[in-house]
Amino acid sequence: ETGVTQTPRHLVMGMTNKKSLKCEQHLGHNAMYWYKQSAKKPLELMFVYNFKEQTENNSVPSRFSPECPNSSHLFLHLHTLQPEDSALYLCASSQDFSGRGRRWAGELFFGEGSRLTVL
Amino acid sequence: AQTVTQSQPEMSVQEAETVTLSCTYDTSENNYYLFWYKQPPSRQMILVIRQEAYKQQNATENRFSVNFQKAAKSFSLKISDSQLGDTAMYFCASHNYGGSQGNLIFGKGTKLSVKP
Repeated sequence: ETGVTQTPRHLVMGMTNKKSLKCEQHLGHNAMYWYKQSAKKPLELMFVYNFKEQTENNSVPSRFSPECPNSSHLFLHLHTLQPEDSALYLCASSQDFSGRGRRWAGELFFGEGSRLTVL
Repeated sequence: AQTVTQSQPEMSVQEAETVTLSCTYDTSENNYYLFWYKQPPSRQMILVIRQEAYKQQNATENRFSVNFQKAAKSFSLKISDSQLGDTAMYFCASHNYGGSQGNLIFGKGTKLSVKP
């Protein structure tokens, strides 16, 4: 079983649909992230959760709604998306060092991604 | 704003040969990390190698090594004895010590093809 699992791997949806992406990590980490990977653009951090609390929202439109019910699961709820939202959405996890007097050393553990196409 | 630039969108190398991927970055900070991440086709992105800016010695992980030139803000990745499994997108990234957790600044990537 891989450390970080994302479902579905592929999703096609219309602009009026509501769908969700799911991420599950089996690494015992307590920080989880959503990244967006678009063609010919750098990876963009969308959301950060530390111990189930959202600590970062990088100016993401409200049509993307994250949910983190526990440290192992992360969802991205999608509604009324636009065609330009088509991308590979990557989930990642790591140990959380924030506020503990230690420095996060930058290692992220990624899932394989969910390829989203908005028609 | 912090930026990472990878000037080579695509590269290819023959199996068993050596290839170097380029990366330059721009930061006003003095303490930071630099990374190379590898994303094979349809597989997870993984950390290949990490360098702390205060360390003068270049990081090495088996066949992977870096050439870190702090003054020039250059951070290239050398892959020796290239293998077919090295075919992947390679992303250079940076993170300031004081930056928020998870907020890596990535380059656009270099697609490396290893040919038999």
